[in-house]
Amino acid sequence: AQSVSQHNHHVILSEAASLELGCNYSYGGTVNLFWYVQYPGQHLQLLLKYFSGDPLVKGIKGFEAEFIKSKFSFNLRKPSVQWSDTAEYFCAVWNSGGYQKVTFGTGTKLQVIP
Amino acid sequence: KAGVTQTPRYLIKTRGQQVTLSCSPISGHRSVSWYQQTPGQGLQFLFEYFSETQRNKGNFPGRFSGRQFSNSRSEMNVSTLELGDSALYLCASSKDLTEAFFGQGTRLTVV
Repeated sequence: AQSVSQHNHHVILSEAASLELGCNYSYGGTVNLFWYVQYPGQHLQLLLKYFSGDPLVKGIKGFEAEFIKSKFSFNLRKPSVQWSDTAEYFCAVWNSGGYQKVTFGTGTKLQVIP
Repeated sequence: KAGVTQTPRYLIKTRGQQVTLSCSPISGHRSVSWYQQTPGQGLQFLFEYFSETQRNKGNFPGRFSGRQFSNSRSEMNVSTLELGDSALYLCASSKDLTEAFFGQGTRLTVV
């Protein structure tokens, strides 16, 4: 069974600091990788996704992620965070098994201090 | 176009009761999946339906069931509610099985 690990459960940053959230997955086959964000009281929104091709993926709101196949990692980065980035971030894996099932990491709560 | 719609948004039920949650997928999406989100367990997969058939099921007791109608709308039912069933229940739909689009969820509180 596939699993997703997010190493940081709670991150506190000051505005303008750089962000990197770690994500590792344990599935050896073809996977689609995602980062979702959940703002307080809101639903899951897609930040970015990787299916194939360029391992450096750019998403919305200045976020990017790098897929490193040899490390089974898909870390999320942002050069300069804003207070409005305060949210919970979920790494997720969708294995190409012919049906819809997303395996999520445990999430990282990001708090940005003005 | 309209997103995934879940109703109701909030529910309060008493232990032992049953509850039915509804999910309307994005038009043209035939795959619908359900997830439970709790502070302790995070986001966990419940089940997935495609063309009215359950194709995959997560590790939840039989009290959790679902169904899908011919118009792809889906319902999830939880019988004999327990306090631990309090959670945000999310529905997601997919058209081509590469990406899931999530609804806003139904917040269920069991008292």
